Formats: sequence, structure tokens, C-alpha cells
Amino acid sequence: DGGITQSPKYLFRKEGQNVTLSCEQNLNHDAMYWYRQDPGQGLRLIYYSQIVNDFQKGDIAEGYSVSREKKESFPLTVTSAQKNPTAFYLCATRLSGDTQYFGPGTRLTVL
Amino acid sequence: AQSVAQPEDQVNVAEGNPLTVKCTYSVSGNPYLFWYVQYPNRGLQFLLKYITGDNLVKGSYGFEAEFNKSQTSFHLKKPSALVSDSALYFCAVRDASGTYKYIFGTGTRLKVLA
Repeated sequence: DGGITQSPKYLFRKEGQNVTLSCEQNLNHDAMYWYRQDPGQGLRLIYYSQIVNDFQKGDIAEGYSVSREKKESFPLTVTSAQKNPTAFYLCATRLSGDTQYFGPGTRLTVL
Repeated sequence: AQSVAQPEDQVNVAEGNPLTVKCTYSVSGNPYLFWYVQYPNRGLQFLLKYITGDNLVKGSYGFEAEFNKSQTSFHLKKPSALVSDSALYFCAVRDASGTYKYIFGTGTRLKVLA
């Protein structure tokens, strides 16, 4: 998992609440990604950012928001508009090549 | 549309036997292909990638993968499986649009039996 920190490891949310998942990296990588993992569905891209102050929607961005104010940080907010947020969330970075480096993940459960 | 398929949800193999985890892809242009491994409740770890060059790519932990352009496949292989290889394996391809997005397969669970 290297220099990528995701917190918290486990997160519980009540319906209707917004929650923010943290992703911090000390790898000095420009690009950062958020994926959602559900059993049997692999990884699906939520948002990605190639440089600071810029980000793009992925395939399943509805109900999520991000910011990229610092190179080291790429927080993901799961809003109340996301109807089925229970999943394992993975943050990743990429340097100049194509290899991605993944954080340890945050497991979000809606109560 | 670009896609990756992992046709097997689970592969069982006896320890010491060779293993193969299958992956086929559909992408316009030259494919950039990857294999990652995930242990329970952990992030993914990079195993190997094919960008160009030799069709047989060697990676971490004794794994290798064979790129076959005519069959659009990129199967992961290991000559002798270990119990510790038991994990979830993902094949991925880079989106050909130049946006550095990656498309992942649904994953194959490898179980190595002692």
C-alpha cells in the first residue's frame, strides 16, 4: 500500500448523511483516482484527477463529489444522492507511467 | 467500446501445479494491459503490464502473462502455484482515448489447495 493513506478504514453512515473519505499520498504522484468495488463487479471509476485543481467524472460519478486542492490529497464525498453507497472504496495514484498504486481502502456501510 | 472479460469467477488449483487465470480484452488501437492482485480487505497490488515488446511478460512473485494479439487475450500464468497465491486477481486495460482511465475486469478468485 506504500505511501497512500485512506481513512477511516471502516465507516458507517446513516441514510441521508453525507460522508467524506480521505485519501492522502506522499508519493508525489500527479494523478489520483477513486474506484468503487462491489462483489462480482470489479472496480468502477468514480472520479479521477490528472493534476491539482482539475478532475473528471468517471463512469459512476452520480452521487459523489471530489476536490483536488493539493497534490497530496483527493477526498471523496459520498452524498445523500448516492442511493446505494455501501461498498469498498479504493484510492489510487499514478506517476508518469501506467502503473497505478492503490491505498488500503475504506469500507463504507449504510445503516 | 473498450472492455475486459475475466470468464472465470474462481479457479482452483493444487499447490505445485501450474495455474492460468484468463483475460480477454476489446480495445481500439494498441492495448495497454495490466494484472493486479488483491488480498482480503486490502488494496490492489501491481503484478505486471504489457505495453509493447515481447509477448511474454514477467512480473512479481513469479507470475508471467502472455499477450496474444490474434486471440485478444492476456492470460496470467505461474509455473508452480503456492497456497499464498490465493487471492483475487484483476485484469485491466487502459482506455484508448488518451485520458489515462483504466477498465477493470470483474476479477477471478484463485484458490490454491494444499
